[in-house]
Amino acid sequence: ETGVTQSPTHLIKTRGQQVTLRCSSQSGHNTVSWYQQALGQGPQFIFQYYREEENGRGNFPPRFSGLQFPNYSSELNVNALELDDSALYLCASSFSRTDGLVSYNEQFFGPGTRLTVL
Amino acid sequence: RKEVEQDPGPFNVPEGATVAFNCTYSNSASQSFFWYRQDCRKEPKLLMSVYSSGNEDGRFTAQLNRASQYISLLIRDSKLSDSATYLCAVTRPYNQGGKLIFGQGTELSVKP
Repeated sequence: ETGVTQSPTHLIKTRGQQVTLRCSSQSGHNTVSWYQQALGQGPQFIFQYYREEENGRGNFPPRFSGLQFPNYSSELNVNALELDDSALYLCASSFSRTDGLVSYNEQFFGPGTRLTVL
Repeated sequence: RKEVEQDPGPFNVPEGATVAFNCTYSNSASQSFFWYRQDCRKEPKLLMSVYSSGNEDGRFTAQLNRASQYISLLIRDSKLSDSATYLCAVTRPYNQGGKLIFGQGTELSVKP
């Protein structure tokens, strides 16, 4: 096991609602990245958090936002849910150098949260 | 064209077969390369990092060809338990956001 945990494991929401997903990183890691994986596709990068700040973002609208806490855990918030937001949401934990440059170290994934939007 | 592309699947092979996965990437400045394995409805698990010198872990061998911008994964003596989707992933350089870009995955089914 990677030691990366996510909650909840499953979630059902309706269009227009808001959702918060949570991730606890592996011990010793300081960086959390979030991904969206639709059925039959590879994970798509949403954003990354390092030292409580966003440190890179993919092609996702502003209604996808996040936070990182001093203990390096993280939240992903999605507002105004759309049907296409239905997917597996994965967080990945890694270690970044203290100069803030993005880590090229391996990323380890949590079990994911499966979100269904009706 | 997608930034990372993999062989379309699925691959259906008998037990004991050797199977090769290929993955191409379009960003020549890509920095790090990985193979992940993903079981149905589970999270991706890191299988191997891929280095220019190539690396081997038991039945698994990964190769990187920077000149041709592709990475490969070879599985020898395949087992039923190797059935999964194999994802290649590439890291952009930090001055391009440094994010990990995945291919769409190639499904492998090993049959008795």
